[in-house]
Formats: sequence, structure tokens, C-alpha cells
Amino acid sequence: SAVISQKPSRDICQRGTSLTIQCQVDSQVTMMFWYRQQPGQSLTLIATANQGSEATYESGFVIDKFPISRPNLTFSTLTVSNMSPEDSSIYLCSVEGDINYEQYFGPGTRLTVT
Amino acid sequence: ELKVEQNPLFLSMQEGKNYTIYCNYSTTSDRLYWYRQDPGKSLESLFVLLSNGAVKQEGRLMASLDTKARLSTLHITAAVHDLSATYFCAVGNFGNEKLTFGTGTRLTIIP
Repeated sequence: SAVISQKPSRDICQRGTSLTIQCQVDSQVTMMFWYRQQPGQSLTLIATANQGSEATYESGFVIDKFPISRPNLTFSTLTVSNMSPEDSSIYLCSVEGDINYEQYFGPGTRLTVT
Repeated sequence: ELKVEQNPLFLSMQEGKNYTIYCNYSTTSDRLYWYRQDPGKSLESLFVLLSNGAVKQEGRLMASLDTKARLSTLHITAAVHDLSATYFCAVGNFGNEKLTFGTGTRLTIIP
């Protein structure tokens, strides 16, 4: 299995500021995924991050708002830029493990924008 | 566009009863996942189903997959309070690891 850590675990931010969320995995993985879970809702994929290439964004998400870095095979960051209260959500990173196509999720970053 | 629907969205059931959560998806997919989420927590993987007719069981939970009907079920047997949580199904395809999640089923077990 893959062990995933995220920082910060939670934050309260002011409108108009930016927050960078870190995701660290204990093994090398090709792809890392960033999901958003709005309050009381399901998970929506923001983007897929491959090492050495630009992230691939899903419909409704753009790089200027959610820039992603993937400097190596165990680490990625997601920045939530120019935040508004609508960005208040849990942000989770995810990877696929090497056994049986299991997909693992980090503990999440709970973001509140005031 | 792939759509994944679950029903019911909310389920309140008594301890000791059996019930089934349904997950329908709109296009052919290779993999079906079930996750559990407790309030304020991340997702815990329950089952990964990879082929038509696959059935997996863990404790009081059993998941099955019918790829022809594009349907997966999560069956709860003799529910206990500890099973209270939100359950999500998610669908993916080989060669593309991203998942599309269902709407979630919030399950409450009443003593």
C-alpha cells in the first residue's frame, strides 16, 4: 500500500490570498491526482499530475486557478490561487498503488476561505 | 461523459437489518471501487472490482459487479452502528487511473 501525507491538514485563509498544499508519497508513482470535495458533496477530480510534464486539468478547472507542480516521483503541490469562499473544500491527493489497482487517498487538507 | 449515480443518497436503517446500496454508471468501465468516508476523515478503500461477476466480501459488507448492466451493489448484512458512514463508489478504466465518483450514500445505523 501507499502511505500519503498532506500539509497543511487544515487552514483558514483570507479571500484573495493563495495556499499551497503539499502531497508526499512513500513510494515512487507515475501519476498523482488532486481531488476536491466541497462540503457535503462527492469528490471531483481537479487534475492529474505527471512527473516531468504539465498537469492535465479536468473540465471546469484551469491552471491559473490551480497551478500544480510535480518535481519528482514522490511529491506534488497544488496551489489554490486568489481564493474565494467558494474554494472552501477538502482537497485530497491520490495515487494508485502497485497491487490490484488499489487507489489510495491522502488525509486531505480542509480549507476554509473567509 | 461518464456519470456515476448512487441510490439511495440517504439511508437510515436499524441494527440487525440488511440493505443494499446501488451504483450505476453510464459508460463501459473496467474498474469499480467502493470507499468509506467517516465525518471529517479521508477515504478508506473497501473493495476493488475488476471483472464482470466479481464478488468480494469483508465482514458485513459484500460488493458485486455486473459490467453488462453497468451496476455494482454494496450489500450490508446485519448492520451494526460502526458501519455508519458515507459510502462512495467510483469508476475507472485501465490505462487511465483517474476515478469518477458517485454521489455518495450517507448511511446511518440506528440502535
